[in-house]
Amino acid sequence: GAVVSQHPSRVICKSGTSVKIECRSLDFQATTMFWYRQFPKQSLMLMATSNEGSKATYEQGVEKDKFLINHASLTLSTLTVTSAHPEDSSFYICSASPIQGGGYTFGSGTRLTVV
Amino acid sequence: RKEVEQDPGPFNVPEGATVAFNCTYSNSASQSFFWYRQDCRKEPKLLMSVYSSGNEDGRFTAQLNRASQYISLLIRDSKLSDSATYLCVVNLAVLTGGGNKLTFGTGTQLKVEL
Repeated sequence: GAVVSQHPSRVICKSGTSVKIECRSLDFQATTMFWYRQFPKQSLMLMATSNEGSKATYEQGVEKDKFLINHASLTLSTLTVTSAHPEDSSFYICSASPIQGGGYTFGSGTRLTVV
Repeated sequence: RKEVEQDPGPFNVPEGATVAFNCTYSNSASQSFFWYRQDCRKEPKLLMSVYSSGNEDGRFTAQLNRASQYISLLIRDSKLSDSATYLCVVNLAVLTGGGNKLTFGTGTQLKVEL
C-alpha cells in the first residue's frame, strides 16, 4: 500500500529558531501533498496544499511567510516553521494521494514543542 | 456552523456491544466521504470510505444520506482494540485551482471496556 514517511517524529526547539519537517511518499508519486496541524483535543486543520513545481496554497489565517512549504519533487514536500514560538507547538501531519488516484495516506506526524 | 460536526463523546461501551457514530456536513457539494481512525498521539488511518449505497467491512458498516447530509458508522461486536477516536472526513473538490480538500470532524472518542 501507499506509504508516507514523515521526519522528524518529535522535535523540541528554542523559541525563535526554525524547524524543517519532511514528508516523503515512498512508493508513489504525488503532485499534491497536504499539511495539517492538530492541537490537543481538536480536529486536524488543513494549513496548506503543497503543489509540486509551484507555490503552495495556504488556508485562510495561515501565514505563508512563517510556514514555508517547498515541494521540489513528486515524492518530497517540506514544511519549515520559521521563527517558532511556543504557540506553534502542535502535532503537524502531512498526507498525500497517488497521482493515479486512491485514498489519502498520512505521515506519522511530527510533534513540535517550542520552548 | 462547523463544516463537519460530530459528537465528541466519549462513548464508553462494554466489549461486544454495538455502537453507532453520526456525522453531519454542511457543504452539499461535498463529493466523497470517509471514516478515519486516530489512536492517541498518532496519525489518522483510513478505516473505510463511505458510499451512497452503504458499505460494510467486517464488523464496520458505513452509511451516507446525501439528502440529509449525514454519515454514520456502526461497529458491531466491539473489541478492546476498537478504542480510538473516529474521524468523519469529507472531501470537497476545490473548483478554484483544482485539487481536493479534506475537512475533518473533531472526532468521536470510543472506549471499549471489559
